[in-house]
Amino acid sequence: EAQVTQNPRYLITVTGKKLTVTCSQNMNHEYMSWYRQDPGLGLRQIYYSMNVEVTDKGDVPEGYKVSRKEKRNFPLILESPSPNQTSLYFCASASLQGSNTEAFFGQGTRLTVV
Amino acid sequence: AQSVTQPDIHITVSEGASLELRCNYSYGATPYLFWYVQSPGQGLQLLLKYFSGDTLVQGIKGFEAEFKRSQSSFNLRKPSVHWSDAAEYFCAVGAPTYSGAGSYQLTFGKGTKLSVIP
Repeated sequence: EAQVTQNPRYLITVTGKKLTVTCSQNMNHEYMSWYRQDPGLGLRQIYYSMNVEVTDKGDVPEGYKVSRKEKRNFPLILESPSPNQTSLYFCASASLQGSNTEAFFGQGTRLTVV
Repeated sequence: AQSVTQPDIHITVSEGASLELRCNYSYGATPYLFWYVQSPGQGLQLLLKYFSGDTLVQGIKGFEAEFKRSQSSFNLRKPSVHWSDAAEYFCAVGAPTYSGAGSYQLTFGKGTKLSVIP
């Protein structure tokens, strides 16, 4: 089954404690991306990647890091989480081949930073 | 950079009534356009997409959307709403960037929450 898998689904952490949210896709997609969803703000892009070792900032990259060492994985790293990073996070992937550019989303990771 | 505006934050309709959710985009060329639905506690599910060709696009769950280039719009419609359609709906535009071949960026609107009265 084609899917994007995020882990964990729910996470509570303390300010300043480094954490990683994993994202994995099994569709051999080139494009992967992280979004955060906040009430009244919709989805905002944090980082995206067009392929292995190719990443770029989205609209709200501050406080986040990503890496793309393998095509299937795109972890989101918070080196020093702060309460304003409490949010619902979504990972997405998409093919860049032809016109089949719809994005597939993971189930989301709800992060609370206290 | 492209942008998406969904003018309506919250819409309430009666079950069986027709529905239209508005979406306007800003982009210099013809973008890829999408509508996603998010049910409470769930991820996003693609309803329909427009890449080129016929400007009236049919999607899942009885939804359709029409691309109007002159109005930079991609409004979502459904002739008869069901209670299970209550959710949040996101319009998105996908457009190539100019930072390299194959660059691609997906931008979302802020969403429209749909409530359905039985």
